[in-house]
Amino acid sequence: GQNIDQPTEMTATEGAIVQINCTYQTSGFNGLFWYQQHAGEAPTFLSYNVLDGLEEKGRFSSFLSRSKGYSYLLLKELQMKDSASYLCAVLDSNYQLIWGAGTKLIIKP
Amino acid sequence: ETGVTQTPRHLVMGMTNKKSLKCEQHLGHNAMYWYKQSAKKPLELMFVYNFKEQTENNSVPSRFSPECPNSSHLFLHLHTLQPEDSALYLCASSQELAGGGDTQYFGPGTRLTVL
Repeated sequence: GQNIDQPTEMTATEGAIVQINCTYQTSGFNGLFWYQQHAGEAPTFLSYNVLDGLEEKGRFSSFLSRSKGYSYLLLKELQMKDSASYLCAVLDSNYQLIWGAGTKLIIKP
Repeated sequence: ETGVTQTPRHLVMGMTNKKSLKCEQHLGHNAMYWYKQSAKKPLELMFVYNFKEQTENNSVPSRFSPECPNSSHLFLHLHTLQPEDSALYLCASSQELAGGGDTQYFGPGTRLTVL
């Protein structure tokens, strides 16, 4: 079966750095997405990785290792508004998006 | 604002009611999706439409009936639902059908409660 694993919940402090991990086992791979979802709102696109390595976009970076079936989302200089759920999703060989259950990130002052 | 709107935002219905969820995208996209999001579970893809044609129906019970009259509008008709159908129903759209890393843009969802 296809599976995406990410921690259920994480807590971090304002101004700090946090890394949210995602591991996947899917039938094929055509890219990995990270989305952010604030409570009661739409998921919004953060990043897309299809090649190995680190993609940096402001305070957010996303890393991919295809050989390890692993990705992480790195958030720097955390702000209170970063409190949200972070969803990892993999595009499989049939171009179906397989979603993780999301990681709820709680930021404390 | 993501360019995808959904109405209503909240819906409470009895098991014998019939209701419809509406989604509209203002992005000129060709593909539209219905997802179900339950607490602490992955997003479940329900239906996919590409150029108004249904391309995916992931074993969804017949009490959920989609309709796509044009590329900008998508409906989900509900009838004789069960309490376990209570969830957040999300609509999304993408330029093309998911290949090549096409980003999906989501609406805010309809929070459905079935009594």
